[in-house]
Amino acid sequence: AQKITQTQPGMFVQEKEAVTLDCTYDTSDQSYGLFWYKQPSSGEMIFLIYQGSYDEQNATEGRYSLNFQKARKSANLVISASQLGDSAMYFCALVGGFQKLVFGTGTRLLVSP
Amino acid sequence: EAGVAQSPRYKIIEKRQSVAFWCNPISGHATLYWYQQILGQGPKLLIQFQNNGVVDDSQLPKDRFSAERLKGVDSTLKIQPAKLEDSAVYLCASSPWTVVGEAFFGQGTRLTVV
Repeated sequence: AQKITQTQPGMFVQEKEAVTLDCTYDTSDQSYGLFWYKQPSSGEMIFLIYQGSYDEQNATEGRYSLNFQKARKSANLVISASQLGDSAMYFCALVGGFQKLVFGTGTRLLVSP
Repeated sequence: EAGVAQSPRYKIIEKRQSVAFWCNPISGHATLYWYQQILGQGPKLLIQFQNNGVVDDSQLPKDRFSAERLKGVDSTLKIQPAKLEDSAVYLCASSPWTVVGEAFFGQGTRLTVV
């Protein structure tokens, strides 16, 4: 069975600071992928970043980076230089065998001026 | 490239009524997902199709929910009869899952059952 755990219901950060959103996962699949999605109040799901289980380097996309620690089964999202527009819900997701895609419960990030 | 299309965007029905949602995935995407997202929670996978076959429907309440994907393209999700706890956003996503894939989401259908 696949499971994603996000233990932070909410996080606060000041503009221009960095923030880390935690994600741990559990899967019996050898090959899998981890995603982070952003969901603003408008409700759309916006893809941010992807990490494959066999990728040796941590994924980066602009201000987003994924701190992938395979042995600890964690895939934390780091947002550098937070902006007011980063305020949203953030979901970690896991894709495993048969492309089953499961989500965590999410973390609400609030960026203050 | 056109995105995932869903309709309607909003729907309000009374409990015990029936409702149907439609999803048109991105052309060529073999995998299609339906998720239920209750306010304040993460998306819960209801059903996953690979072409027109069901890969996973373990969390679909089959006594009231049904879904189909005819010809491996468009999909419909139906609820009959609806309950108050079905109030949620229903998200459709599709993916090619070729090399490194991502699931592309539609804007969702917000269902309110009163």
